[in-house]
Amino acid sequence: EDQVTQSPEALRLQEGESSSLNCSYTVSGLRGLFWYRQDPGKGPEFLFTLYSAGEEKEKERLKATLTKKESFLHITAPKPEDSATYLCAVQSQYNNNDMRFGAGTRLTVKP
Amino acid sequence: KAGVTQTPRYLIKTRGQQVTLSCSPISGHRSVSWYQQTPGQGLQFLFEYFSETQRNKGNFPGRFSGRQFSNSRSEMNVSTLELGDSALYLCASSPDRGNTQYFGPGTRLTVL
Repeated sequence: EDQVTQSPEALRLQEGESSSLNCSYTVSGLRGLFWYRQDPGKGPEFLFTLYSAGEEKEKERLKATLTKKESFLHITAPKPEDSATYLCAVQSQYNNNDMRFGAGTRLTVKP
Repeated sequence: KAGVTQTPRYLIKTRGQQVTLSCSPISGHRSVSWYQQTPGQGLQFLFEYFSETQRNKGNFPGRFSGRQFSNSRSEMNVSTLELGDSALYLCASSPDRGNTQYFGPGTRLTVL
């Protein structure tokens, strides 16, 4: 069965303190790995899609990387507005395009 | 382009009632998926519609149903509401099956 595990569950950083969020996955035939950001009471906002091991994508202070077993979301010099829950999801090409989500990492950036 | 829209944004119902939620996808998107999000279970897949046909279904009881219209707009229905159905219901659209999904703001359903 496809599984996604995100760690840590919660992360508190000082403004400017860089760190990484982890997403470990098992999936039969990865079609894509997705990162979303979700603010309280709102729908997830799309950040990145990664398709194959070795792929990297960047957007402002965020960089996502992918290996065959895990993905990292690196946050460089975070600001308080980066505070949110970050969700990772995988989509299988053999399982009717199911999207399986992790529980998320709740990030708090203190000024 | 306008994003995914969902109506209503908030809903309060009592046990035993039924509810219908609506989703308008991004223009040109043909696939619509529905998810339930709760603090305990996280984001769980309900079903996916494409070309007015349900293509995939998650592990939810038959009280949860949906449909898609010819303009790709979708509705989901929950009959005989239970307290445990209180959740944020999210709709996501994508251009085609297997593409990146873009989420709407969600409908917050509270069952009393």
